[in-house]
Amino acid sequence: AQSVTQPDIHITVSEGASLELRCNYSYGATPYLFWYVQSPGQGLQLLLKYFSGDTLVQGIKGFEAEFKRSQSSFNLRKPSVHWSDAAEYFCAAWGNSGGYQKVTFGIGTKLQVIP
Amino acid sequence: EPEVTQTPSHQVTQMGQEVILRCVPISNHLYFYWYRQILGQKVEFLVSFYNNEISEKSEIFDDQFSVERPDGSNFTLKIRSTKLEDSAMYFCASRTGGAGEQYFGPGTRLTVT
Repeated sequence: AQSVTQPDIHITVSEGASLELRCNYSYGATPYLFWYVQSPGQGLQLLLKYFSGDTLVQGIKGFEAEFKRSQSSFNLRKPSVHWSDAAEYFCAAWGNSGGYQKVTFGIGTKLQVIP
Repeated sequence: EPEVTQTPSHQVTQMGQEVILRCVPISNHLYFYWYRQILGQKVEFLVSFYNNEISEKSEIFDDQFSVERPDGSNFTLKIRSTKLEDSAMYFCASRTGGAGEQYFGPGTRLTVT
């Protein structure tokens, strides 16, 4: 079955520190991969996506993610976290055979930023 | 940049009442979706819609739920008789054909009392 795993439910980092949020996927073939951010009570904002090509993708707000096929991973990184980055982050995957396939979301990682 | 819109942003209803959540997908998109997120939980797929019919639905999408594209621009989700456990954020999404990604709307928060 298709699945997306985010092993860290809650992460706390100091402002200015680096950040890495983990994501692993289990799909029959390499899916399209996404990271979304959600502030409390808000909708889903797309941070970045990977479809093919360069395995290091750049997104908005200074985020990047690296696709590693051998590890079935798509980890999100940021070199220096800002207090405004506190939010919940969802990794998601979509089967790349087109059609009407649904997006599968991970359970989310809640990021807390401390001064 | 075109975006998916949803109305209302927040709906409060009493248990047993019918609700209709509305979405306006991006105009040239062909595939439409509803997802829901119960507070504190992950986003879950409900249903996908293509060519004026349901193409896939999850086990959550039971006979209480229905979807419709009544006029070529709106895409609605109806819950016939709401239950307390239907309280959630409901997201609409749409995409073009081929390998286009899904674009999500801002969500409607449904509160059933």
